[in-house]
Amino acid sequence: DIVMTQSPDSLAVSLGERATINCKSSQSILYTSNNKNYLAWYQQKRGQPPKLLIYWASTRESGVPDRFSGSGSGTDFTLTISSLQAEDVAVYYCQQYYSGPPCAFGQGTKVEIK
Amino acid sequence: EVQLVQSGAEVKNPGESLKISCEGSGYRFTSHWIGWVRQIPGKGLEWMGIIYPGDSDTRYSPSFQGQVTISADKSISTAYLQWSSLKASDTAIYYCARQLDPPGLRPFDIWGQGTMVTVSS
Repeated sequence: DIVMTQSPDSLAVSLGERATINCKSSQSILYTSNNKNYLAWYQQKRGQPPKLLIYWASTRESGVPDRFSGSGSGTDFTLTISSLQAEDVAVYYCQQYYSGPPCAFGQGTKVEIK
Repeated sequence: EVQLVQSGAEVKNPGESLKISCEGSGYRFTSHWIGWVRQIPGKGLEWMGIIYPGDSDTRYSPSFQGQVTISADKSISTAYLQWSSLKASDTAIYYCARQLDPPGLRPFDIWGQGTMVTVSS
């Protein structure tokens, strides 16, 4: 099974500042035939289901603000919130869908306001 | 509006059986895989398995194979997750979610509101 590891487990960022979350997969999730990374990012606010933010490592889901961006390839990926807003307080998860089952999630990163 | 609506919270005794549901609307239910995700309170997300309602093809995570059964009734656009004998360790929130356009494995773009299952004597 592919294991997804996020870092850090939590971070506190001032309003308007950048937040960066890392995600590492235990093996490459880049499918060379189509040059796509099978990596998604989700946001889960307290008491709510997760919400898809980004897929194919860098494609924003419809309606997601452009302050959210995804990057990386192979085994190392990053979710960046360019200017943290109060409504971005949440837990963020990465997920690989390169192989499975299971399509494992990372353990989550909690983002708070400093 | 595309949505998944799950059945309500359940409180059960250990050893009891349970079947929770997830009804899809606003899209062609038979054309998207539906998955189930477990979240123990205060913990992360665990991918349990998926089903393709069009032909009931089902895939399970090894961690959940034999512990739960995933099924679907396409005539009423509903997917199910069931247990034959609940344990206290099954206490969690269970989410159903729709995969992005097939084919193959994809992330979940639409999520149900979650069903809280509490197993306690």
